[in-house]
Amino acid sequence: DAGVTQSPTHLIKTRGQQVTLRCSPKSGHDTVSWYQQALGQGPQFIFQYYEEEERQRGNFPDRFSGHQFPNYSSELNVNALLLGDSALYLCASSFLSGGAPDEQYFGPGTRLTVT
Amino acid sequence: DAKTTQPPSMDCAEGRAANLPCNHSTISGNEYVYWYRQIHSQGPQYIIHGLKNNETNEMASLIITEDRKSSTLILPHATLRDTAVYYCIVRFYTGNQFYFGTGTSLTVIP
Repeated sequence: DAGVTQSPTHLIKTRGQQVTLRCSPKSGHDTVSWYQQALGQGPQFIFQYYEEEERQRGNFPDRFSGHQFPNYSSELNVNALLLGDSALYLCASSFLSGGAPDEQYFGPGTRLTVT
Repeated sequence: DAKTTQPPSMDCAEGRAANLPCNHSTISGNEYVYWYRQIHSQGPQYIIHGLKNNETNEMASLIITEDRKSSTLILPHATLRDTAVYYCIVRFYTGNQFYFGTGTSLTVIP
């Protein structure tokens, strides 16, 4: 049973560019959440997708956008990259439709470096 | 979601029990306590969660005080592979995001 997978593993971009990160949830999961983790800090919630819609959003600017596909996989897009966007981007999946307290399973992350 | 307070760092001797405390004095009745850990540069790993009863699984035990204002994660026989940052998170029932603090950096010493 494959867990949460993310691609790419590492990425280097230049200021002002745009980037797309991808996430495939754990089998049987229907919800994807994205987090940003700066060096030495805990993960910060960006947004969550359920039923192909943004269900919740953290305190991140509109430059951060996302999408969820019918197969529950998800993309995170960041436009007009800033140096401060350099971080580990984590994807977490869970099963929301069951109604029980859900454990979020995290992927290994994508390390984004903006130069 | 209620905030949590954890010590920034702790050491534990290999083979001994590691007891990681967490304060969550503003927790409400329908908020759960979750514990995750993160080994360097990997994604956080789920450990355990509970509401008001003590919980145990193959990884750890979670002890929640009767007033629910604090909890302790217990790793019964710490190994070097348990060296990680441990996050205590209080979260409303289901579906909401996890608010991570800076956690406790646990170092298991040989």
